[in-house]
Amino acid sequence: DVKVTQSSRYLVKRTGEKVFLECVQDMDHENMFWYRQDPGLGLRLIYFSYDVKMKEKGDIPEGYSVSREKKERFSLILESASTNQTSMYLCASSILSGEFYEQYFGPGTRLTVT
Amino acid sequence: AQKITQTQPGMFVQEKEAVTLDCTYDTSDQSYGLFWYKQPSSGEMIFLIYQGSYDEQNATEGRYSLNFQKARKSANLVISASQLGDSAMYFCAMREAVNDMRFGAGTRLTVKP
Repeated sequence: DVKVTQSSRYLVKRTGEKVFLECVQDMDHENMFWYRQDPGLGLRLIYFSYDVKMKEKGDIPEGYSVSREKKERFSLILESASTNQTSMYLCASSILSGEFYEQYFGPGTRLTVT
Repeated sequence: AQKITQTQPGMFVQEKEAVTLDCTYDTSDQSYGLFWYKQPSSGEMIFLIYQGSYDEQNATEGRYSLNFQKARKSANLVISASQLGDSAMYFCAMREAVNDMRFGAGTRLTVKP
């Protein structure tokens, strides 16, 4: 059974803290993605990675960075958390090649920045 | 610019009836894929159905079908015989490149008993 796991379901952090959100997949997928989900806005792509140590900016990368040191792990970093980064964060993975590839999602991390 | 548009923030349907959730998209690519995902209140994203831009027939998966009208750039999801468990958020998404998927704002479907 395919699996994408995220380190926390709920997280509360203070403004200015450095925050790490971890995502691990066990499907040997090349692609990994970080989205944030806000009501009325759907899912917006923050960053994605198509290989170890490779990363590409999505639509809203400002205030975020990512790290992919191993194929199975993709980390989202909030260098200095702000209240406008309070959101649901979803990680996903997929195979690299082929016209059709489904994205498999983790359960999400609901982050609150106070 | 918005690439995926879901114009219905919320929809209601009576149990056992069919419902159509609208999705329009914007692309200049010839090759692309269209996806629908379901997100129950528990939060996980569940893949429902896929339609490739070159597929001539509408995709179907059980009670789900995708009404694909390429010239109109629409990819509506049809759920037949609605069940209470179908109550959820539904997201339409499009992939234009291997590494690029964009989602709409979502439609919240409520199935009434």
